[in-house]
Amino acid sequence: GNSVTQMEGPVTLSEEAFLTINCTYTATGYPSLFWYVQYPGEGLQLLLKATKADDKGSNKGFEATYRKETTSFHLEKGSVQVSDSAVYFCALSQGGKLIFGQGTELSVKP
Amino acid sequence: KAGVTQTPRYLIKTRGQQVTLSCSPISGHRSVSWYQQTPGQGLQFLFEYFSETQRNKGNFPGRFSGRQFSNSRSEMNVSTLELGDSALYLCASSLDADSRRVSYGYTFGSGTRLTVV
Repeated sequence: GNSVTQMEGPVTLSEEAFLTINCTYTATGYPSLFWYVQYPGEGLQLLLKATKADDKGSNKGFEATYRKETTSFHLEKGSVQVSDSAVYFCALSQGGKLIFGQGTELSVKP
Repeated sequence: KAGVTQTPRYLIKTRGQQVTLSCSPISGHRSVSWYQQTPGQGLQFLFEYFSETQRNKGNFPGRFSGRQFSNSRSEMNVSTLELGDSALYLCASSLDADSRRVSYGYTFGSGTRLTVV
């Protein structure tokens, strides 16, 4: 079946460091891909999305490119801030539902 | 524009009881989905409703049920609660009418934290 695999956390970075969170997927067809972020005690916020191969989603300095050839959707940010500390989830859509990765906790230190 | 509203935010129930959670989607969104989030299992899909009809269902026992009203508001019910049902229950709404092609994505509420004691 379809699945999403994310790099394990926690990931700890210093402020202004470069961030990469790896995400690969297994899917039939061409699902849409998403990154969601969850701050402590809150629900999920859509960070960015891509609906077809080679699409680049971007928001708040975060970017991810839908790579069909490598079945990947890695999240990147050039310079992280303390306020980016949260749990990040990669997800794909399949038949009206989202399939999530296990989440990657990011901690950014000043 | 109001977001997805879930009530209540917190709930404590005793084993064997039943519980009903409520979700009001963004105005104009007709698709409403429910997810369970636990530390062990992560985020798991429960079911999706569209125009008052259950369109998709996850692999949960029959104790978990839901419904959607004509104004798109949705409720989910869990009967005969077990300790393992303790979780954050998240509701999401979408503007996408075709579940085969998701373009807009899903907007989530803040969730209902259910604790079963």
